Amino acid sequence: QKEVEQNSGPLSVPEGAIASLNCTYSDRGSQSFFWYRQYSGKSPELIMSIYSNGDKEDGRFTAQLNKASQYVSLLIRDSQPSDSATYLCAVREYGNKLVFGAGTILRVKS
Amino acid sequence: GAVVSQHPSRVICKSGTSVKIECRSLDFQATTMFWYRQFPKQSLMLMATSNEGSKATYEQGVEKDKFLINHASLTLSTLTVTSAHPEDSSFYICSARGGKGETQYFGPGTRLLVL
Repeated sequence: QKEVEQNSGPLSVPEGAIASLNCTYSDRGSQSFFWYRQYSGKSPELIMSIYSNGDKEDGRFTAQLNKASQYVSLLIRDSQPSDSATYLCAVREYGNKLVFGAGTILRVKS
Repeated sequence: GAVVSQHPSRVICKSGTSVKIECRSLDFQATTMFWYRQFPKQSLMLMATSNEGSKATYEQGVEKDKFLINHASLTLSTLTVTSAHPEDSSFYICSARGGKGETQYFGPGTRLLVL
């Protein structure tokens, strides 16, 4: 069983700070990684995908992938109260299924 | 971005009845659709994977005779919860894979309450 591990949190950061969310995965052969944001009572929405080692930036979000360490992270710069949500890390496995972590709760305090 | 719709958004039914949930990809053709269930404060659990025109593949522990999935076209999949019971009350979310990068896009979810 492929596993995706995340710290459940909550992670609390002050408004304007950088939030760092981390995720590790068990399948060394995994190639595709995704970060989703889920507000309470809503379905997940895709924030970023990353497939290659290194950093990928999109606005205030930066995804980082290190396949050797089986580690993927999401940085949120200039965090806003509206960023408060649960962030789900997902890894694509065989059959195009996504395996999700349990999610990290982020709270941005104004 | 790709849009996936679900209908209904919320349903309340009596125990023993069947409930059908529709999932549509509005602006792209979905090669594969996925059905998830999420209980409060828990992560998403994949129930089944469906490809257009073929039988769905169910995850271990999911009863295929209870959760009927039909994927009749590249833009529509339906999940029918047959003879629903209170323990089936949950948040059911579909996702559709397709479009740019073959990414999964989620529908808004259907909240089912079985009395």
